[in-house]
Amino acid sequence: KAGVTQTPRYLIKTRGQQVTLSCSPISGHRSVSWYQQTPGQGLQFLFEYFSETQRNKGNFPGRFSGRQFSNSRSEMNVSTLELGDSALYLCASTKDYEQYFGPGTRLTVT
Amino acid sequence: GESVGLHLPTLSVQEGDNSIINCAYSNSASDYFIWYKQESGKGPQFIIDIRSNMDKRQGQRVTVLLNKTVKHLSLQIAATQPGDSAVYFCAEPFTPGAGSYQLTFGKGTKLSVIP
Repeated sequence: KAGVTQTPRYLIKTRGQQVTLSCSPISGHRSVSWYQQTPGQGLQFLFEYFSETQRNKGNFPGRFSGRQFSNSRSEMNVSTLELGDSALYLCASTKDYEQYFGPGTRLTVT
Repeated sequence: GESVGLHLPTLSVQEGDNSIINCAYSNSASDYFIWYKQESGKGPQFIIDIRSNMDKRQGQRVTVLLNKTVKHLSLQIAATQPGDSAVYFCAEPFTPGAGSYQLTFGKGTKLSVIP
């Protein structure tokens, strides 16, 4: 069974731009969560989607948003990028309270 | 879970020695913990979990100990191998309702195995 896939793996953007990251969960998993990982703050929960609905949201500004499609694939978007948004963005798919992580997208904001 | 710090604790061990990685938590009502391993360039990977009705749980070369009195858990890796080099996180699941599920992670410990 294929694992969680994330695209792109690496991304470089400029301050003020926006970015969209994509995640494909494990087949059959309907819950997708996103986390931000930085050296200073560690791993922090961004939001969770289930059946195309945001079910839970972490403490991040409104510039961070996401969506989920009918095939459970999910995207997250960050608008008006700031230098502090440089991070590894991890997607995880969940089934039966077991969470499986993808390899992440490394976003660098210059 | 642990408070987030600026510096990642590091642990260097000789190949073949045992490793002990520690984690403190603050909520005495916490009842379930998970250890994750994150290798360079990869996402966190489940290692082992433990519920609060247990003091100890063993897996393949790994043991997790839970001390509820002092709100501390540890991950012990026996006969550490170079492939064990990674960052290890303790995590606590949180279910805010409506079937939602999220993890609160500790700050992590970087384990380096010296050949």
